[in-house]
Amino acid sequence: DVKVTQSSRYLVKRTGEKVFLECVQDMDHENMFWYRQDPGLGLRLIYFSYDVKMKEKGDIPEGYSVSREKKERFSLILESASTNQTSMYLCASSPPTGGLFFGEGSRLTVL
Amino acid sequence: GNSVTQMEGPVTLSEEAFLTINCTYTATGYPSLFWYVQYPGEGLQLLLKATKADDKGSNKGFEATYRKETTSFHLEKGSVQVSDSAVYFCALSDLTSGSARQLTFGSGTQLTVLP
Repeated sequence: DVKVTQSSRYLVKRTGEKVFLECVQDMDHENMFWYRQDPGLGLRLIYFSYDVKMKEKGDIPEGYSVSREKKERFSLILESASTNQTSMYLCASSPPTGGLFFGEGSRLTVL
Repeated sequence: GNSVTQMEGPVTLSEEAFLTINCTYTATGYPSLFWYVQYPGEGLQLLLKATKADDKGSNKGFEATYRKETTSFHLEKGSVQVSDSAVYFCALSDLTSGSARQLTFGSGTQLTVLP
């Protein structure tokens, strides 16, 4: 089975802190994604990556950056966390045939 | 562009009731369609999928049929259980648009099943 692992299930940070959310997949998928999930808004794509060192902006990239130094690892970075970034963050990977495999999510609270 | 519209929740049913969650889509090409389920405190899991018109996806007693003529992919289950309580997301992947690796999601439908 595909396994997508997110490093932290729950985080609490303060405004202005730098935050790293790590995601690792074990199925050699080229494609990886970061979404945020908010009540009433569904899932919104932040960034995605088709290959190592390659990244593209999704629908809501402002305030975020990403890093893909290795194929299996895709990191989401909040350079200076703000309270409006309090959310559930979901990482996913995808084979060439489509569909997504999700991690369990990281719930971030910014105080 | 592509879009997915789901019936708004929350939906509350008694155990053994029949479930329908409506999903319609708009796509420029020939999409694959998916239902994902999110149990409390967890990430999304693929529930079922269909890749072409008239295909039926099924899993764990849930079914959905890809209807091109009505651009729909409604989720059904004949007899729900308390353990089916979750949020259900309809999604599409448009294989002809060059963005096959991305999914367009509906807003999700919260289902609560009471004993």
